[in-house]
Amino acid sequence: RKEVEQDPGPFNVPEGATVAFNCTYSNSASQSFFWYRQDCRKEPKLLMSVYSSGNEDGRFTAQLNRASQYISLLIRDSKLSDSATYLCVVANFGNEKLTFGTGTRLTIIP
Amino acid sequence: GAVVSQHPSWVICKSGTSVKIECRSLDFQATTMFWYRQFPKQSLMLMATSNEGSKATYEQGVEKDKFLINHASLTLSTLTVTSAHPEDSSFYICSAIPLGSYEQYFGPGTRLTVT
Repeated sequence: RKEVEQDPGPFNVPEGATVAFNCTYSNSASQSFFWYRQDCRKEPKLLMSVYSSGNEDGRFTAQLNRASQYISLLIRDSKLSDSATYLCVVANFGNEKLTFGTGTRLTIIP
Repeated sequence: GAVVSQHPSWVICKSGTSVKIECRSLDFQATTMFWYRQFPKQSLMLMATSNEGSKATYEQGVEKDKFLINHASLTLSTLTVTSAHPEDSSFYICSAIPLGSYEQYFGPGTRLTVT
């Protein structure tokens, strides 16, 4: 079983729609959780950290369920610029060793 | 903000040759840098943790004699792919954590093609 699992997609979503991604992780000792976005042939960039209480950053909302070892990302009012691959990332002690999911590819359709 | 550069951004080499990739933190110091590899449509896989002034720590399955890492200063780590083969063709990405911070900043990546 992979340490971090994501639905690879692709998700093709009309502009303005709401889209949700899910991710599960296998290591119950994981302490830190993140969503990164990666554009084609580019490096990953931190989108947001994920906190136990859930957190929101503009149109993006992240949720964490430690009991189910499940992380989610919700994007509201999607924009064309949201088209990218979204990577679920977990870390154990500290935030040094990051384990990446394979990513979920999102395409926003005009 | 924290900027990490990599050089070269892409390289094509012949099988059997060695290639050196540089990772630099431009506006901060980092005692720890990381090297990742990403094959097409796959996730980033951590290859090794590079520690300034000491030996790198390699992940299971990564050959330390093939992927030589040198972290000679607080702003520079190098990865040398020795005796490269076509199966080493990949996207190599480094990252660094500024002193006193916890966030990793990624370099733009180096695309290696071995013919």
